[in-house]
Amino acid sequence: SQKIEQNSEALNIQEGKTATLTCNYTNYSPAYLQWYRQDPGRGPVFLLLIRENEKEKRKERLKVTFDTTLKQSLFHITASQPADSATYLCALLPNSGYSTLTFGKGTMLLVSP
Amino acid sequence: DAGVIQSPRHEVTEMGQEVTLRCKPISGHDYLFWYRQTMMRGLELLIYFNNNVPIDDSGMPEDRFSAKMPNASFSTLKIQPSEPRDSAVYFCASSHSGNSYEQYFGPGTRLTVT
Repeated sequence: SQKIEQNSEALNIQEGKTATLTCNYTNYSPAYLQWYRQDPGRGPVFLLLIRENEKEKRKERLKVTFDTTLKQSLFHITASQPADSATYLCALLPNSGYSTLTFGKGTMLLVSP
Repeated sequence: DAGVIQSPRHEVTEMGQEVTLRCKPISGHDYLFWYRQTMMRGLELLIYFNNNVPIDDSGMPEDRFSAKMPNASFSTLKIQPSEPRDSAVYFCASSHSGNSYEQYFGPGTRLTVT
């Protein structure tokens, strides 16, 4: 069956360090992979999209990698700040025309000053 | 732009009552999605519409759930009768087909069924 796995344990890091979150998937051939940020009591907010033929995408302090061989995406936040504390969700769009996103359960990131 | 608007933000109801959740998508968006989020199951797609037409409702848990989109600026998700296991946060999201599938989420409705 199709699965998207994100670390259910919170990631605790110190301000200024690089945070790295992982998204693994099985039995998918995603055309796109997206990352969203969700703050408590709010809806997810789109951050970045990476296509299956792209290895890496950057946006300011954010970097996403996509390895279709390993079936894994890594999400990096460099020079992390306490304001980056949130839950980060990955979402896959299957490679079959327009369809729907399937979301992972997310990983909580806590950045301490 | 006001973003996706959902109402109410919180709903507490008793088992057996009818619940109606409302959503106004972003103007110009042609896709609308209803999701449910719980700690156990994460974010699950219930149903989505394209140009006001329901495309896939396979995520709707039971016949007690129904959704409508009478026009491009309004959608409802109805639960009748409600049960305690329906307690969750319900999100509406919209997107534009020319926008690489980026979805814009509303603030959600926290539903508690006692």
